[in-house]
Amino acid sequence: GAGVSQSPRYKVAKRGQDVALRCDPISGHVSLFWYQQALGQGPEFLTYFQNEAQLDKSGLPSDRFFAERPEGSVSTLKIQRTQQEDSAVYLCASSLLLAAKETQYFGPGTRLLVL
Amino acid sequence: SQKIEQNSEALNIQEGKTATLTCNYTNYSPAYLQWYRQDPGRGPVFLLLIRENEKEKRKERLKVTFDTTLKQSLFHITASQPADSATYLCALSGNTPLVFGKGTRLSVIA
Repeated sequence: GAGVSQSPRYKVAKRGQDVALRCDPISGHVSLFWYQQALGQGPEFLTYFQNEAQLDKSGLPSDRFFAERPEGSVSTLKIQRTQQEDSAVYLCASSLLLAAKETQYFGPGTRLLVL
Repeated sequence: SQKIEQNSEALNIQEGKTATLTCNYTNYSPAYLQWYRQDPGRGPVFLLLIRENEKEKRKERLKVTFDTTLKQSLFHITASQPADSATYLCALSGNTPLVFGKGTRLSVIA
């Protein structure tokens, strides 16, 4: 079936604006992950869900970042009062189960630019 | 804190040669080590996973080794092709979510 999709692919926001980034995981995948990838860096973990439960949000950089997955499928990452340092690519990944050995399938990412 | 280092930011090799990428880690005892490929403007794509009790794993032209004593993994691409040009990321997993290195940008020159 279809892979992980993310929207929008690109987002330009003015500093202080709120943004919402959407992730559609592979159908039937239990686990969903959000990562932040700065230019020239590897992805950095933000948070993950098992079904609708957010099991770890230790990577969220501040309380301006909020993620939800209310029905255990689509997820939204919201950033309030965006700052320039929030500019990055936000990657979503899903996996069939939640286990260290599970392969994660990544979406194409949303490139956020905060001016 | 956990630290992952990939040996170089960029590696240039000639077509047909073997590319060898290095991933070193400290302050971590991963149960698994994974390698991903990332092309510009796209998300990472899974290539190989190796367990802590495995020394080596192969898939077509790819080979991964895992030395838990040295805390190092080597990733080899044999008979490299220009289409292999991409950024390669290593990632550690265990009881914590995936932790990625910065990646090595490989360029295979025809």
